[in-house]
Amino acid sequence: AQSVTQPDIHITVSEGASLELRCNYSYGATPYLFWYVQSPGQGLQLLLKYFSGDTLVQGIKGFEAEFKRSQSSFNLRKPSVHWSDAAEYFCAVGAWGNKLVFGAGTILRVKS
Amino acid sequence: DTAVSQTPKYLVTQMGNDKSIKCEQNLGHDTMYWYKQDSKKFLKIMFSYNNKELIINETVPNRFSPKSPDKAHLNLHINSLELGDSAVYFCASSQPDGSSYNEQFFGPGTRLTVL
Repeated sequence: AQSVTQPDIHITVSEGASLELRCNYSYGATPYLFWYVQSPGQGLQLLLKYFSGDTLVQGIKGFEAEFKRSQSSFNLRKPSVHWSDAAEYFCAVGAWGNKLVFGAGTILRVKS
Repeated sequence: DTAVSQTPKYLVTQMGNDKSIKCEQNLGHDTMYWYKQDSKKFLKIMFSYNNKELIINETVPNRFSPKSPDKAHLNLHINSLELGDSAVYFCASSQPDGSSYNEQFFGPGTRLTVL
């Protein structure tokens, strides 16, 4: 069965530092991969998606993610974090029936 | 205009009551979904409907009954509410286009609190 693992429950980075959030997936077919961000009390905003093609995907707010099939990973990166990036980040894989299977989320804290 | 809207945004109710959450999308999409985000922020799909037909039912208790009066609406009715139903419920929609996967657009969520 499909699943998504986000190994880090919390991550704290300093403002201006680089960020990498890890995501590993388990899916038998070609994966459709997503990163969503949820700010406190808010809904889900799509940061970026990977369907096919270039394995390095650019998203909104300066985020990017790299799909590595050999590692079953889709890690999210940002070169310089801003305080407004503090939120919870969810990795997801698109599965049968067009449903999304989400990871447990990673809470990002940004210290000034 | 809001693409996917949900009402109410907050819902506080007593155990045993029956309540409904409404979802409407103005994107012209054929497929709609309900997801539940529990107290640990874990998100999981509950249902999906395509053009008013049930496609996915992820072993959700019978107390939960989705209703799709037309393809722009997917309402969630919950009978005999229990404490464990407290969660944030997200509605989403997508448009099948023949490809293997179609992006979903999410509503703002409805926070349900059962006392």
